[in-house]
Amino acid sequence: GAGVSQSPSNKVTEKGKDVELRCDPISGHTALYWYRQSLGQGLEFLIYFQGNSAPDKSGLPSDRFSAERTGGSVSTLTIQRTQQEDSAVYLCASSLEGGGSSGTYYEQYFGPGTRLTVT
Amino acid sequence: DQQVKQNSPSLSVQEGRISILNCDYTNSMFDYFLWYKKYPAEGPTFLISISSIKDKNEDGRFTVFLNKSAKHLSLHIVPSQPGDSAVYFCAVYGGATNKLIFGTGTLLAVQP
Repeated sequence: GAGVSQSPSNKVTEKGKDVELRCDPISGHTALYWYRQSLGQGLEFLIYFQGNSAPDKSGLPSDRFSAERTGGSVSTLTIQRTQQEDSAVYLCASSLEGGGSSGTYYEQYFGPGTRLTVT
Repeated sequence: DQQVKQNSPSLSVQEGRISILNCDYTNSMFDYFLWYKKYPAEGPTFLISISSIKDKNEDGRFTVFLNKSAKHLSLHIVPSQPGDSAVYFCAVYGGATNKLIFGTGTLLAVQP
């Protein structure tokens, strides 16, 4: 079946501009995550959506970052007034459910990422 | 502070030999551990996982070992193949959190 897809694959933007990154999760997956990987760093959690519950925004680095998930499927990550330190690969992942709270953990499946470069 | 550490940024192994990738964590409440492999310009791919109630899980050439007392996780690949060359990340779920916490990765190079 189709995996997680993300668009665009690459985005170059000027400092101060807004950008939108899109994620299409695997059909049937109720949990959706955004991570980012900066140069030489591991993957850093940004935000998590589970069904109709309020999202866990604890990883968002500033109020310039926001995300929404429409209809429990597609998600958009928006970065306003981009800065050079926002340059990174933004990765989306989905899983059957969010792990932990039910005592059951599910593997997260990742998309190919969007490489964002802020000039 | 880094809760999940992969202290070796790179590892080089001959084809056919064993590759051992290591990961240390700080929080004894972590209870589910995963390994992901990542090729350039691709997203991470899930490899293998282990629950804290086990100390070993095997899937083909890949075996993950968990030493809870040492808070240490390792991935063994045997025999190693050139196609295994990639960056390997360990990741953990812990407690009530639904997010994965990743290490910084180890670049494995398998030489033919």
